[in-house]
Amino acid sequence: DVKVTQSSRYLVKRTGEKVFLECVQDMDHENMFWYRQDPGLGLRLIYFSYDVKMKEKGDIPEGYSVSREKKERFSLILESASTNQTSMYLCASSFHRAGTEAFFGQGTRLTVV
Amino acid sequence: GQQVMQIPQYQHVQEGEDFTTYCNSSTTLSNIQWYKQRPGGHPVFLIQLVKSGEVKKQKRLTFQFGEAKKNSSLHITATQTTDVGTYFCAGPGAAGNKLTFGGGTRVLVKP
Repeated sequence: DVKVTQSSRYLVKRTGEKVFLECVQDMDHENMFWYRQDPGLGLRLIYFSYDVKMKEKGDIPEGYSVSREKKERFSLILESASTNQTSMYLCASSFHRAGTEAFFGQGTRLTVV
Repeated sequence: GQQVMQIPQYQHVQEGEDFTTYCNSSTTLSNIQWYKQRPGGHPVFLIQLVKSGEVKKQKRLTFQFGEAKKNSSLHITATQTTDVGTYFCAGPGAAGNKLTFGGGTRVLVKP
């Protein structure tokens, strides 16, 4: 079974803190994604990576950065957390070829106070 | 950029009734995927459609890809309480790697 594991299920951070969300997949997938999910807005793509050290901006990259030093790990970084970044964050991975299904982690509910 | 829209945003269905949710893309898609997210869970892949006009069935779920490959639909027959959740469609970007999701249709079933 494919496994995508996110480091935390729930996280509470203070405004201005630097926050790291970690995601690890065990299926040797080339593609990895970070989405945020808010009520009524669906899944919005923050960043994705198609190879080690490669990254591309998604639809809402402002306030976020990412790191992919190893193929299995994709980190989302909130440089200076703000209350409007309170959300559910979902990591996903897939094979590189177009049209392959994405596998999701269980999600991290981040609250910034 | 590419946009994927779904309607309706919410669907209240009486148990046993049928309903349809629709997905529209601003660009032509090479394929379209559907996912289901149960309450408190994460999105799980249901199916992928690739060919123009393609129709696929999974038990009571029927998925269709439009002739122009810019829209898709999911039809559920005889809705059950197990169908509760949010259904998302998703399409790849031009390069094939980026996966853009629609806003989802949240389905609530009245017993």
